[in-house]
Amino acid sequence: KNEVEQSPQNLTAQEGEFITINCSYSVGISALHWLQQHPGGGIVSLFMLSSGKKKHGRLIATINIQEKHSSLHITASHPRDSAVYICAGGMDSNYQLIWGAGTKLIIKP
Amino acid sequence: DAGVIQSPRHEVTEMGQEVTLRCKPISGHNSLFWYRQTMMRGLELLIYFNNNVPIDDSGMPEDRFSAKMPNASFSTLKIQPSEPRDSAVYFCASSLFSGGSTDTQYFGPGTRLTVL
Repeated sequence: KNEVEQSPQNLTAQEGEFITINCSYSVGISALHWLQQHPGGGIVSLFMLSSGKKKHGRLIATINIQEKHSSLHITASHPRDSAVYICAGGMDSNYQLIWGAGTKLIIKP
Repeated sequence: DAGVIQSPRHEVTEMGQEVTLRCKPISGHNSLFWYRQTMMRGLELLIYFNNNVPIDDSGMPEDRFSAKMPNASFSTLKIQPSEPRDSAVYFCASSLFSGGSTDTQYFGPGTRLTVL
């Protein structure tokens, strides 16, 4: 069964802290997407990874193909980073994404 | 580019009424997805179109739901008759190619539907 599991489910941290959100996935998933959803807001794609590491501003995403694990890091976290972060797995030649349950992140000032 | 456009942003209706949600995908994108998001079930794929053709509608809950894509720039999701359990946020997303594993999906702002 193709699965994507995220942890933690909820995360509260102080402004400035380094944040890590984890995503584990099963065999068959060849690319991993990270998305962000602000409260009451739309969904924005942050990264798509099939290998290595990507960086955009204070956000860094890594993937370890052998361990079937991906992480999303936020450096120097800020209250505006408060959102739900979702990872989703994609399979070759398949339009369906396998969605993780999401991590609700709250950054306190 | 304006991104994926959805209308209305909010819809409140009474049980039994017909509801039509609209989506304009990003110009040039070949794939269009309709999703439903609820607290209990998260994001669920309802239907997927490629080049205006419905490829997979297995996620459509029941016959009360229907979706069309008459051309590359417009799609509708209709619920008739609506029920309170249909209350959710409905998202439309588009992607450039066939929606494969490496294809980024661009989401619209969503339509928040409340059925009383």
